[in-house]
Amino acid sequence: EDKVVQSPLSLVVHEGDTVTLNCSYEVTNFRSLLWYKQEKKAPTFLFMLTSSGIEKKSGRLSSILDKKELFSILNITATQTGDSAIYLCAVEAQNSGGSNYKLTFGKGTLLTVNP
Amino acid sequence: KAGVTQTPRYLIKTRGQQVTLSCSPISGHRSVSWYQQTPGQGLQFLFEYFSETQRNKGNFPGRFSGRQFSNSRSEMNVSTLELGDSALYLCASSFLGNEQFFGPGTRLTVL
Repeated sequence: EDKVVQSPLSLVVHEGDTVTLNCSYEVTNFRSLLWYKQEKKAPTFLFMLTSSGIEKKSGRLSSILDKKELFSILNITATQTGDSAIYLCAVEAQNSGGSNYKLTFGKGTLLTVNP
Repeated sequence: KAGVTQTPRYLIKTRGQQVTLSCSPISGHRSVSWYQQTPGQGLQFLFEYFSETQRNKGNFPGRFSGRQFSNSRSEMNVSTLELGDSALYLCASSFLGNEQFFGPGTRLTVL
């Protein structure tokens, strides 16, 4: 069974701090890893990673994938209160039938940024 | 471009009843996936539909079913509701199946 584990489960920091969120996975026939931010309701897409060692960056957020060690990290620098959210990691892998792909989500990391 | 829409946004049902949730994907997206999100289990995959066919299925009992129409709109049905079915049900649409765009969800409470 495909498994995605995120750590820590929750984190409280002060504005201006830098945080690193972790996502490790065990899946068969990996295709991509995705990061989402969920504030109130719908998760919103952040990054999709398919290749090892290539950093994806968007403003203060960045992410990198290690396909050998089977993990990814999401970094947020100079955190702001608006970064408070649940950060979800999902891995896309081939399903057992071999013909299609599905996403498996981790349980998320709840980040709270205090002023 | 309008986003993914889900109706209703909130539902309260009692045990044993059944419920139907609706999802309209982003225009042009043919893949619709459904997820159940609870505080304890996180986001769990229910099923995915593509061009009116169920393409993937998660590990949920047969009480959970779905369908997709020719206009890509999808419905999810849960029969014989149980207390443990109380959750946020999220629908996500995608063009190719990987980058998914989520709707606001339907909050289902089973009493």
